[in-house]
Amino acid sequence: LAKTTQPISMDSYEGQEVNITCSHNNIATNDYITWYQQFPSQGPRFIIQGYKTKVTNEVASLFIPADRKSSTLSLPRVSLSDTAVYYCLVGLPSWSGNTGKLIFGQGTTLQVKP
Amino acid sequence: DAGVTQSPTHLIKTRGQQVTLRCSPKSGHDTVSWYQQALGQGPQFIFQYYEEEERQRGNFPDRFSGHQFPNYSSELNVNALLLGDSALYLCASSLGSGQETQYFGPGTRLLVL
Repeated sequence: LAKTTQPISMDSYEGQEVNITCSHNNIATNDYITWYQQFPSQGPRFIIQGYKTKVTNEVASLFIPADRKSSTLSLPRVSLSDTAVYYCLVGLPSWSGNTGKLIFGQGTTLQVKP
Repeated sequence: DAGVTQSPTHLIKTRGQQVTLRCSPKSGHDTVSWYQQALGQGPQFIFQYYEEEERQRGNFPDRFSGHQFPNYSSELNVNALLLGDSALYLCASSLGSGQETQYFGPGTRLLVL
């Protein structure tokens, strides 16, 4: 499984756009990139998943360059409630028949200030 | 529709004791995975259960064992507790086991004294 590298922490202010970049130099051809969010004393929550180019949902956008060796999670106009740890994971999606485990790194702690 | 539930929410044990943690998966899910999350770290995969059998296991000793019942609920058992077993234990359920389909419960906070 490909290893991921993220910044340990980031600070932002309410209303700003936040971009968190994840490096995954050894990503395999069939791997997808998935981001999870975790609030204190709660389990992680799926945010977004993508394979290449750009994916957008109601919560975030995911930008993946052509070489797929990195990805950027973009959170538009963050609020105080977006303060959490964000994890980047790389691996196979469920519809591929994957029976693998989720491999979490240390994640990025995002602190949103008023 | 209830999500993943875990019990108890908090637990205090002493070294050498045994503990059982419980998990009820999200309605319609048939696969349960367990994770251990130490303070300040990401969750670490313990094992996964499907059709009442352990399908995959992470790098955890045999002191960690589990069970899945016919109704898909699951238990995590830890024997001979060590101080280092203090952590948040998370249960995730899914239909299949891909990254985007795993739903996590709130966890059980275990403190070993």
